[in-house]
Amino acid sequence: IAGITQAPTSQILAAGRRMTLRCTQDMRHNAMYWYRQDLGLGLRLIHYSNTAGTTGKGEVPDGYSVSRANTDDFPLTLASAVPSQTSVYFCASSRTSGNTDTQYFGPGTWLTVL
Amino acid sequence: KQEVTQIPAALSVPEGENLVLNCSFTDSAIYNLQWFRQDPGKGLTSLLLIQSSQREQTSGRLNASLDKSSGRSTLYIAASQPGDSATYLCAVNSGGSNYKLTFGKGTLLTVNP
Repeated sequence: IAGITQAPTSQILAAGRRMTLRCTQDMRHNAMYWYRQDLGLGLRLIHYSNTAGTTGKGEVPDGYSVSRANTDDFPLTLASAVPSQTSVYFCASSRTSGNTDTQYFGPGTWLTVL
Repeated sequence: KQEVTQIPAALSVPEGENLVLNCSFTDSAIYNLQWFRQDPGKGLTSLLLIQSSQREQTSGRLNASLDKSSGRSTLYIAASQPGDSATYLCAVNSGGSNYKLTFGKGTLLTVNP
């Protein structure tokens, strides 16, 4: 069982380009999340999905979009990347969106926007 | 708005020492609190989750306590080992419509052989 996989591992991207970060989980978890981690700011929630077919905005959603077509996949898209989106991006999942469940994290994607 | 603070920001101890990491939060209306470990260049590994109705959780050499009324949690690591060196993150689940975890900035722990 792989848990959560993210791709790519790292990417250097020119400003203005479109980029999709991929996230796949094999735990059949209903809820999935995208966070970004920045030095001095910690981890912040970008978007979340309580179950397939639904998505919601987190703390810092601007410039990002997500979709949840099925249970396993939760891609994050930067429509037109800007340098302030340089960050480490973590995908996470939990069994349900209930408040008692542990969130499990993927290995991260290191993104640099120039 | 929930705020989570972790003190100290960095800690260096000799191998074998028992140590305590601290986490405080401003809004005591939480559902649970989770402790994570993050190794350099890696993702987060969940260590312990304490529900709001619980006082503590234990896993091996780790013991996490929760005092919701005072807005505090501690992570106790017994008999520290060099392999415990990592950043430890505290995250609070305050519930609400977006099931958001609010993270502290972490404590960087170094255990010296």
